[in-house]
Amino acid sequence: GQNIDQPTEMTATEGAIVQINCTYQTSGFNGLFWYQQHAGEAPTFLSYNVLDGLEEKGRFSSFLSRSKGYSYLLLKELQMKDSASYLCAVRDRITGGGNKLTFGTGTQLKVEL
Amino acid sequence: ETGVTQTPRHLVMGMTNKKSLKCEQHLGHNAMYWYKQSAKKPLELMFVYNFKEQTENNSVPSRFSPECPNSSHLFLHLHTLQPEDSALYLCASSQKADLSYNEQFFGPGTRLTVL
Repeated sequence: GQNIDQPTEMTATEGAIVQINCTYQTSGFNGLFWYQQHAGEAPTFLSYNVLDGLEEKGRFSSFLSRSKGYSYLLLKELQMKDSASYLCAVRDRITGGGNKLTFGTGTQLKVEL
Repeated sequence: ETGVTQTPRHLVMGMTNKKSLKCEQHLGHNAMYWYKQSAKKPLELMFVYNFKEQTENNSVPSRFSPECPNSSHLFLHLHTLQPEDSALYLCASSQKADLSYNEQFFGPGTRLTVL
């Protein structure tokens, strides 16, 4: 099975930088996703990491260390609209073929003035 | 708009009712998914369909019955539900279900309340 941990809540200031961590335990790691979900809306894809290192996409970056079972999502130049829940999801290979995607509980980010 | 639509957006039903949730994707994808999102709990994958064939059922009770008539449509038939089944039910689609990176596109969800 999988165990995914991420902080429940974080608060940051507009214009600042925030790092949201995700740790996981899995037997057949095959990729990690970050999704953003605004209240009352569907999740939207932010990033995907399968190799170690940093993936940068505009104001958002995602880092992965497979040996440590660790990822983080970095948000720069925070805006009020970034207030949302950030979901870490880990995919791992399952016996018999195929993959299983498991989500963490999400980190509720509040951006303040 | 993600290209995935769900109806109805809100549904209230009694425990003896039978209802169906509908999902449609306009992205030409081959894999479709049902998820359940309850308050304070992680998103839970319920069913996976790949090329209309069910490839995964995550120990979901039989009172939830999925149907995938073609790659663009996915239904979730509900009967004799329990109050604890009240949740947001999300549909998603992706290019294919297994073996490679595939970004999932989510619909807006159906907010289900079971009385």
